Amino acid sequence: SQKIEQNSEALNIQEGKTATLTCNYTNYSPAYLQWYRQDPGRGPVFLLLIRENEKEKRKERLKVTFDTTLKQSLFHITASQPADSATYLCAPSNFGNEKLTFGTGTRLTIIP
Amino acid sequence: DVKVTQSSRYLVKRTGEKVFLECVQDMDHENMFWYRQDPGLGLRLIYFSYDVKMKEKGDIPEGYSVSREKKERFSLILESASTNQTSMYLCASSLKGQYTGNTIYFGEGSWLTVV
Repeated sequence: SQKIEQNSEALNIQEGKTATLTCNYTNYSPAYLQWYRQDPGRGPVFLLLIRENEKEKRKERLKVTFDTTLKQSLFHITASQPADSATYLCAPSNFGNEKLTFGTGTRLTIIP
Repeated sequence: DVKVTQSSRYLVKRTGEKVFLECVQDMDHENMFWYRQDPGLGLRLIYFSYDVKMKEKGDIPEGYSVSREKKERFSLILESASTNQTSMYLCASSLKGQYTGNTIYFGEGSWLTVV
C-alpha cells in the first residue's frame, strides 16, 4: 500500500543555517507533491506544489526538489529564522485524485 | 483569500452524545474534506465530498457520518461519541484538481474532548 515517510519527527537547526526536510514515498508514482506548514493548534497552510517534470521549485527562502527515481522530495529553508519553527507536511498526489494523503510531518525548531 | 470556517473551536461532549461539527467555505470549492489529527498518527481522512449530497469514505470513516446539503457547507456527525474520538478535527476544501493539482485549504480546527 502507499506509504509516505518524513525523515524525522523532530529537527533542530541553528538560526541562519539551511534546514532540509525529507519526504519519501513508496508504492506510488505521484505526478505532483505539495508541502504544507502547520503551526501548533492551527490548520495546515499550503506552501509549494512541485510537478514531476519540474525537478526544483523556489519561493523566497524555500526550495523544493522532486526526484521521481529516488521517490523523494527535499524541502529546504535557507537562512532559517525562529519564525520558521513549525511542523512541515508533505503530500504526494496525482491529477484526478481529489483526496490528499499527508505524511506525519517533521517538527522543525530553529534555535536562536 | 479562501476562508474555511469551523463553527466550534473547542467542544467537550459526553460519551454517547450525538456531536455535529460544522464547516463552511466561501470560495465555491467543489471538494470538501474532514480529517482528524492525532499525535504520531498525522492527518487521517475521515470523509470526502466532491459535490452536493455526494460523499466518499476516507481511511477512518467508522463512527462518523457526513452531510453536504449545500455546496459551501460540510458537516461531520459523530452518532454516538466515544472517548477514542477525542481529537483535533480539521475541515478543508479544494477546487477539483484534475489538471492543476488540488491545493487544500484548511480551517483552524475543532478540538473535541469526549468525557
